[in-house]
Formats: sequence, C-alpha cells, structure tokens
Amino acid sequence: EDKVVQSPLSLVVHEGDTVTLNCSYEVTNFRSLLWYKQEKKAPTFLFMLTSSGIEKKSGRLSSILDKKELFSILNITATQTGDSAVYLCAVTGANSKLTFGKGITLSVRP
Amino acid sequence: EAEVAQSPRYKITEKSQAVAFWCDPISGHATLYWYRQILGQGPELLVQFQDESVVDDSQLPKDRFSAERLKGVDSTLKIQPAELGDSAMYLCASSLDQPGTYNSPLHFGNGTRLTVT
Repeated sequence: EDKVVQSPLSLVVHEGDTVTLNCSYEVTNFRSLLWYKQEKKAPTFLFMLTSSGIEKKSGRLSSILDKKELFSILNITATQTGDSAVYLCAVTGANSKLTFGKGITLSVRP
Repeated sequence: EAEVAQSPRYKITEKSQAVAFWCDPISGHATLYWYRQILGQGPELLVQFQDESVVDDSQLPKDRFSAERLKGVDSTLKIQPAELGDSAMYLCASSLDQPGTYNSPLHFGNGTRLTVT
C-alpha cells in the first residue's frame, strides 16, 4: 500500500522566518510527487516533481525531490501571514492513484 | 481560469437519510476523482473515473456509497443511508491525464462539507 508521511505535523513561525516541510514516501511504480496548499477550502496546486534533484521554484517557495532517499522538501523563505495553511504532499503511483499525507499545518504569526 | 464546480457547498443531513453531491470537472478533463477529507487528515480517494468508466473504487464503501459519471462529464456521488462517521469534506478533482500516463496535476473543486446529525 502506498504511504506518505509528512513532518512536522504542525509548525508555528514568525513572519520573515524560513521553513522547511518534509515529505517521505513509499509507493509502487512512482510517477510524481505533488505539493498542495490548502486553506479553508480546496487544495491548490503548488509543484509537481518527477525527476530527482531538480528544484522547482515559484517566488518564495521551492521544492526538491530525492528519489533515491524517497523524500521531498518544500521550502518557504521570508514567510508571510498569508502562507498560513495546511501543506499537503501526495505521490502518484500505479494507475495514477494519488495518495496524500496528513498534511502539515503552518501558522505564521505577525 | 477554469475551475472544478461542486455543489452544494454545505449539506446537513440526519443519519439514515440519503444525500447526493454533484461535480462538474474542467472542460476536457477525462479523469475525475472523488476524495473524502476528514478534519485533520489528508484527502482519501473514494473513486476514480476515466471518462464514464470506473478505474478505481477499491476504497468506496459500496454498501452505502455509489458514484456515476454517465456521459463522461459531470458526476454524482451518493450516500444512502448516511452515518455519523460520514461527516467530512467531499472533494472532487479532475485532470487531463489517463491512468498510467500521469503528466498533469489534479485540480480540486471547493468541496462539499457534509455534516451528519
């Protein structure tokens, strides 16, 4: 059974801090790893990673995948209160089935 | 930007009643997914469609849940009878890909929050 473990489960930081969110996985026939941000409604897509070692970057957010060690990190620099959300990691395996972790709750305090 | 449409946004029902949720995926998206998300957990797949066919419903509690996508476009998820433990957010998502050729991410609707009393 595919498995995704995220850590820490929750995190409180102050504006301007840098945070690193972790995701490790076990999946049959790995195809991709995705990061989503979820506020009070639907998860919104952040990144999809398919190749090891390649960094995806969008503004203050970046992510990298290590397929050998089966993990990914999501980095947020210069955090803002608007970054407060649940960050979900998911992996795609056989038949495009997407398996999610439990999420990391990030709270950014002013 | 095109969105996945879901209705209703909120639903309160008594246990043992029937309830139905509707989803209209992004136009042209062949793959449609229904996920259930319990508070504090990540979404869990209930059923996956490719066009009108079910690809994966291994996690769907078939004694009470049913899903259909008759014309391969919009979809309905039904629960009958509802139980207290069904209280959750029900998320619909769609993607361009066909199973086995995963190249694009899932796009989620805003969900239906179900409360069973």
